[in-house]
Amino acid sequence: DARVTQTPRHKVTEMGQEVTMRCQPILGHNTVFWYRQTMMQGLELLAYFRNRAPLDDSGMPKDRFSAEMPDATLATLKIQPSEPRDSAVYFCASGLERGQVKNIQYFGAGTRLSVL
Amino acid sequence: GEDVEQSLFLSVREGDSSVINCTYTDSSSTYLYWYKQEPGAGLQLLTYIFSNMDMKQDQRLTVLLNKKDKHLSLRIADTQTGDSAIYFCAELGLTGGGNKLTFGTGTQLKVEL
Repeated sequence: DARVTQTPRHKVTEMGQEVTMRCQPILGHNTVFWYRQTMMQGLELLAYFRNRAPLDDSGMPKDRFSAEMPDATLATLKIQPSEPRDSAVYFCASGLERGQVKNIQYFGAGTRLSVL
Repeated sequence: GEDVEQSLFLSVREGDSSVINCTYTDSSSTYLYWYKQEPGAGLQLLTYIFSNMDMKQDQRLTVLLNKKDKHLSLRIADTQTGDSAIYFCAELGLTGGGNKLTFGTGTQLKVEL
């Protein structure tokens, strides 16, 4: 049963600490997305990779957030330094993009981040 | 830019039909999707519709698309308590040569006994 795996599921940290969230996309998928979900803003796209190259990270605060794909099986989202306003649920999604056919995104269960 | 709007809440009785509505603004959207999010979980794809279709039916789910009015709806027949969740519509648009989903605000469906 192929699925997107995110770790950790929950993270509590103190303001100023570095946070790293990891995502294992579904094998064979060539796109990876990072979203942030909050009550106030809903679902926001932070970053979008295709074939491991960043395609769109306009939604990501550049001063403290960074997203990478060291290889095809791992995507990371880092926050340094973290702030209380970063508290949210962070979702990773992956998909197989071939033109505009379907482009279904499959979501992981998310990382719930609390910054104190 | 794209904007996708949904009503925030819907309450129905078990066994009734639920209709969740969505409006979008990007007329170039090719696919429109409905996702379901249960508490503490990620988003799960329910169904999708291609923009040249008016209707798609999948078991208890019926999707209606009015492209002229940019209106999308999801009808759930014989709604069950297990259908209680947040439902997101999303449209697929092009950005920088890639494909990006824009999600609505989500509609929380509450099913009462």
